[in-house]
Amino acid sequence: KQEVTQIPAALSVPEGENLVLNCSFTDSAIYNLQWFRQDPGKGLTSLLLIQSSQREQTSGRLNASLDKSSGRSTLYIAASQPGDSATYLCAVSSFTGGGNKLTFGTGTQLKVEL
Amino acid sequence: GAGVSQSPSNKVTEKGKDVELRCDPISGHTALYWYRQSLGQGLEFLIYFQGNSAPDKSGLPSDRFSAERTGGSVSTLTIQRTQQEDSAVYLCASTPGTPRTDTQYFGPGTRLTVL
Repeated sequence: KQEVTQIPAALSVPEGENLVLNCSFTDSAIYNLQWFRQDPGKGLTSLLLIQSSQREQTSGRLNASLDKSSGRSTLYIAASQPGDSATYLCAVSSFTGGGNKLTFGTGTQLKVEL
Repeated sequence: GAGVSQSPSNKVTEKGKDVELRCDPISGHTALYWYRQSLGQGLEFLIYFQGNSAPDKSGLPSDRFSAERTGGSVSTLTIQRTQQEDSAVYLCASTPGTPRTDTQYFGPGTRLTVL
């Protein structure tokens, strides 16, 4: 059974700081890994999707890496801003279950302070 | 273009009542998913529809839960004889094609409270 863990559970940083969020998964047989952000009371917004054959994806100030063999992904946020404050979730689509679903981590709650 | 929409945004019901939650996926998306987000459980998969294929119901927690997708578009999640542990945010998502390669686009969710 795939299990996804995110560390840290919560993080508070001053504006402008670069930061790294960590995600680990137990079963490396995955199709892809996705990073989402969730704002309070809202749905999920997709940030980056990394296919299993890829090592990283970049979008603006965000960079996500994937090391499938070790079961790890990191989300790097450069020059953080207060608007980045949200909960960040990683999720994997696994071979088990036919890739029909995402298994989510419990998230990292990020607060960027002025 | 329009994103995934869900209705109602909030639903309060009494224990034992039936509820229906609606999801309108992005036009043209063939795959549709339901997830549940509850305190202490995180986000968990419920059911997956792909085109005209039989749905993957492996995540439904009990036989009180059912879902259908009419005409390959709108989906309804029905919870019969609701229990307090059903209280959660129910999220719907859709993808253009296969979840193995495509980003899932989520709706805003329906917050269900069972009193």
